[in-house]
Amino acid sequence: NAGVTQTPKFQVLKTGQSMTLQCAQDMNHEYMSWYRQDPGMGLRLIHYSVGAGITDQGEVPNGYNVSRSTTEDFPLRLLSAAPSQTSVYFCASSYREGYYEQYFGPGTRLTVT
Amino acid sequence: TQLLEQSPQFLSIQEGENLTVYCNSSSVFSSLQWYRQEPGEGPVLLVTVVTGGEVKKLKRLTFQFGDARKDSSLHITAAQPGDTGLYLCAGATAGGTSYGKLTFGQGTILTVHP
Repeated sequence: NAGVTQTPKFQVLKTGQSMTLQCAQDMNHEYMSWYRQDPGMGLRLIHYSVGAGITDQGEVPNGYNVSRSTTEDFPLRLLSAAPSQTSVYFCASSYREGYYEQYFGPGTRLTVT
Repeated sequence: TQLLEQSPQFLSIQEGENLTVYCNSSSVFSSLQWYRQEPGEGPVLLVTVVTGGEVKKLKRLTFQFGDARKDSSLHITAAQPGDTGLYLCAGATAGGTSYGKLTFGQGTILTVHP
């Protein structure tokens, strides 16, 4: 099993550009989520999904969109990149929300200039 | 928004020393997890504690969940260079519309020198 995969590994964008960060899992997990990690701030939840067709906002959703058309895939879209979105982005999946183990992808390091 | 305060933020110790990392909140969590993260990788789960007062041991690591389920601690005995990494606590929201969502602490960067 590949677990949780993320692409790309690194990305540089100019202010105003849009892009999609890809996330896929092969564990048939219902719950998937996107986090951003900034120095000294731990991981902050951007958006999450409790199943195909169901998404909701996390702590820092502004500037990001998500969709969940299949159980496996949960892409994160940056609508108009801003320097404040420079961060490392992690996708995670788990059997369900709550105390179940979160399996994290390797991350995408995004720089917006 | 629930907050988890993790301390200390940085810890630099010699091999063989003991250490404790704390995770505190004013909110009640239904469960609390500890993750370890190495550079360039995603966090990996170490342990989940669910019951107030629960203590779990993982080799030289001891995890405790506070009686009121508002705080937790991670104690490492006789630290080794291989313990070096970023340690993160994460609490699952106890109820309401945010049930089950994880709130992460800021993390503790541990460096163990040989």
